[in-house]
Amino acid sequence: AQTVTQSQPEMSVQEAETVTLSCTYDTSENNYYLFWYKQPPSRQMILVIRQEAYKQQNATENRFSVNFQKAAKSFSLKISDSQLGDTAMYFCAFMKHETGANNLFFGTGTRLTVIP
Amino acid sequence: GAGVSQSPRYKVTKRGQDVTLRCDPISSHATLYWYQQALGQGPEFLTYFNYEAQPDKSGLPSDRFSAERPEGSISTLTIQRTEQRDSAMYRCASSLEAGGLAANTGELFFGEGSRLTVL
Repeated sequence: AQTVTQSQPEMSVQEAETVTLSCTYDTSENNYYLFWYKQPPSRQMILVIRQEAYKQQNATENRFSVNFQKAAKSFSLKISDSQLGDTAMYFCAFMKHETGANNLFFGTGTRLTVIP
Repeated sequence: GAGVSQSPRYKVTKRGQDVTLRCDPISSHATLYWYQQALGQGPEFLTYFNYEAQPDKSGLPSDRFSAERPEGSISTLTIQRTEQRDSAMYRCASSLEAGGLAANTGELFFGEGSRLTVL
């Protein structure tokens, strides 16, 4: 079974600063996807960034980047130049890379507050 | 449709009543998922469909929960004899390819959810 652990229930960061959210996971799979989803107060689920496990290069999307350490089963999210709109719940998620079994396993989330 | 649409957005019911939640996925998306998200928790998998087939319903917490997708598009999640512990946000998501492995992305697109409160 897959498990995803987010050990930081809450974090805060000053506007324009950088913050890193932690995520670890446990799996015996070799091929998989990892995701960070954002859930703002509106309660939508918005994909922030995605990483394929077979890719060594860390994914980057504008101000968002990941530090993917496959051997350590770690997948942290770095938010640079934090903005007030980044205030949200952030969920790390895991998906096996195969057909027929592609549900997402989520962590319990980290609540991020950006302070003006 | 342009996005995943869920209804109702909010549902308050009394314990023991049946409720049905609806999901209209992105048109042309083959795979549809249902998740349950308790307050302060991450979403937890309930079941999924490839078109009208339901290969995995292992996440349904009891036989009071059932889901359908009879024509491979719109899906409903029904909870019979609701209990207070069923109170949660119920989220639907869809992805492009059958089997859920969206071409080159692995991405699921989520609806805004249906918040169920059982009194």
